Amino acid sequence: DQQVKQNSPSLSVQEGRISILNCDYTNSMFDYFLWYKKYPAEGPTFLISISSIKDKNEDGRFTVFLNKSAKHLSLHIVPSQPGDSAVYFCAAAFMNRDDKIIFGKGTRLHILP
Amino acid sequence: DAGVTQSPTHLIKTRGQQVTLRCSPISGHKSVSWYQQVLGQGPQFIFQYYEKEERGRGNFPDRFSARQFPNYSSELNVNALLLGDSALYLCASSPAGRNTIYFGEGSWLTVV
Repeated sequence: DQQVKQNSPSLSVQEGRISILNCDYTNSMFDYFLWYKKYPAEGPTFLISISSIKDKNEDGRFTVFLNKSAKHLSLHIVPSQPGDSAVYFCAAAFMNRDDKIIFGKGTRLHILP
Repeated sequence: DAGVTQSPTHLIKTRGQQVTLRCSPISGHKSVSWYQQVLGQGPQFIFQYYEKEERGRGNFPDRFSARQFPNYSSELNVNALLLGDSALYLCASSPAGRNTIYFGEGSWLTVV
């Protein structure tokens, strides 16, 4: 069963516009969420995280929003740049437990010139 | 500072063989995790080690095993390789008690 779902396999956005990547989860016990970015032939790179006690976390051009009642989070990238073209993975975990992190299947973001 | 380093970066094995993958964590990180990523999927958790003890195990057969050494480096072993074991194997490290993990570049395993 897919506990973390990224329902859009790909997304194309014009350079300079906002990119919005979405993620849904099924386990209400998750209390920590992360986004990773992956280029081909490289390992995933940590982007930003959010704990369940917050509904928003911002780091430069990246903002993650969490809607616990809807079990939904989103990553906003503003403005989108060519280097943002990559696969983005949403992930969920249990805070302060040394345990596994569960990843979605990823969304491929294409930034168009 | 050096990130997570993995070796080898690429390897080809035949069915039935055994493989050992190696990982050195970020300096100061005591927790190491292993993930498998197949094409079109997100990373899937295999093992987590902290202070040389197994802290978590994913849904993988007993052919998969791992260990962590006193210097916190780690090895992942896979026995009796199957074609379906072909994947990118990712090692990640984290400081104790923190959920954010940092990945290495991965080891690409092809089983033929």
